[in-house]
Amino acid sequence: SQELEQSPQSLIVQEGKNLTINCTSSKTLYGLYWYKQKYGEGLIFLMMLQKGGEEKSHEKITAKLDEKKQQSSLHITASQPSHAGIYLCGADSSGNTPLVFGKGTRLSVIA
Amino acid sequence: NAGVTQTPKFRVLKTGQSMTLLCAQDMNHEYMYWYRQDPGMGLRLIHYSVGEGTTAKGEVPDGYNVSRLKKQNFLLGLESAAPSQTSVYFCASSYGPQGRTEAFFGQGTRLTVV
Repeated sequence: SQELEQSPQSLIVQEGKNLTINCTSSKTLYGLYWYKQKYGEGLIFLMMLQKGGEEKSHEKITAKLDEKKQQSSLHITASQPSHAGIYLCGADSSGNTPLVFGKGTRLSVIA
Repeated sequence: NAGVTQTPKFRVLKTGQSMTLLCAQDMNHEYMYWYRQDPGMGLRLIHYSVGEGTTAKGEVPDGYNVSRLKKQNFLLGLESAAPSQTSVYFCASSYGPQGRTEAFFGQGTRLTVV
């Protein structure tokens, strides 16, 4: 079965600093999804990547999928307190099955 | 826009009791999913449905049953609750398969079994 490993498990950064979260798959991915979860709430969709080498940005968050489609990174530029939460990557190896999720990266942003 | 609504938001059960969690979506989505989230374990799929009247097992289906009698509703049942089922349960829905389309999540149901 497909497994997703996220690193780091948790991250504390000072406001204004940049940071990167990684998601690595044991298999080639059909699609890679990034979600954000605020503490005690549901998941909010951030981005979906499907093509090798693809990169997408939304506000100060950029996600990339490597050429081999086995690793993705999520980069936040100039972090803000509103970026705090749990970031989860989800992936599917065929395009027709439910997503498998990583265990999440807990991000704290301190002033 | 309601999106995906889960009922109830919190519940405490005694071991052996039964209960049903309701998930309702108003987006006319075909696909619906139940996940549980536990510390250190991430999100794990319990059951899912690819359309009205269909259900399928996910990664951790034991101890749970589901029904999708109406397209907009997906019910998760616990027949005899156990402390190991203490968790936060999330429902999600999507227009197409999750691997192709965005999934929308509910706010979660925090269940404690004592």
